Amino acid sequence: AQSVTQLGSHVSVSEGALVLLRCNYSSSVPPYLFWYVQYPNQGLQLLLKYTSAATLVKGINGFEAEFKKSETSFHLTKPSAHMSDAAEYFCAVTRGSQGNLIFGKGTKLSVKP
Amino acid sequence: EAGVVQSPRYKIIEKKQPVAFWCNPISGHNTLYWYRQNLGQGPELLIRYENEEAVDDSQLPKDRFSAERLKGVDSTLKIQPAELGDSAVYLCASSLGHSSYEQYFGPGTRLTVT
Repeated sequence: AQSVTQLGSHVSVSEGALVLLRCNYSSSVPPYLFWYVQYPNQGLQLLLKYTSAATLVKGINGFEAEFKKSETSFHLTKPSAHMSDAAEYFCAVTRGSQGNLIFGKGTKLSVKP
Repeated sequence: EAGVVQSPRYKIIEKKQPVAFWCNPISGHNTLYWYRQNLGQGPELLIRYENEEAVDDSQLPKDRFSAERLKGVDSTLKIQPAELGDSAVYLCASSLGHSSYEQYFGPGTRLTVT
């Protein structure tokens, strides 16, 4: 069965600092991996996805993530945080090209001025 | 292009009452999903439709939850009777296809059962 673990329910960074949100997955087959962002009182929006092509995936708003099979990780990074990045971020996995999205519990990112 | 539309945005009901949520997906999206998001958790799939057909409803509590997607466009999710534990945000999403295709989420309906 597929599962996702997001380390840290809350992460706080200063504006301009590096953002690192951690995601580890468990999958019995090659996974597809996703990062979604949720702003308050809104639905989720796709940031980026990995579907077995390039291991370094670039997404919207300057975010990127690297698929590391040996570490079963798919951490999300952004070199310089902006106030508008404050939101909740969800990592999700599917069973390859089939299966449903399995979400982690989310990490709430706060950005301090 | 309009996104996924959900109504109502907020609903407060007493336990044992019925409640219904409505979703209109993005035009042309064949796949429609209903998720439940409990406080402090990620969304969990309740049901997935491919056109009119419910292809995965294994996580839908069928004793009190029902859903339909007539004509393969908009969809309704119903709870009857509601329980305190049903308080959550109910999200609808749609996509062109399944799995690797991007899912577009609506803003959700926040249900409070008192």
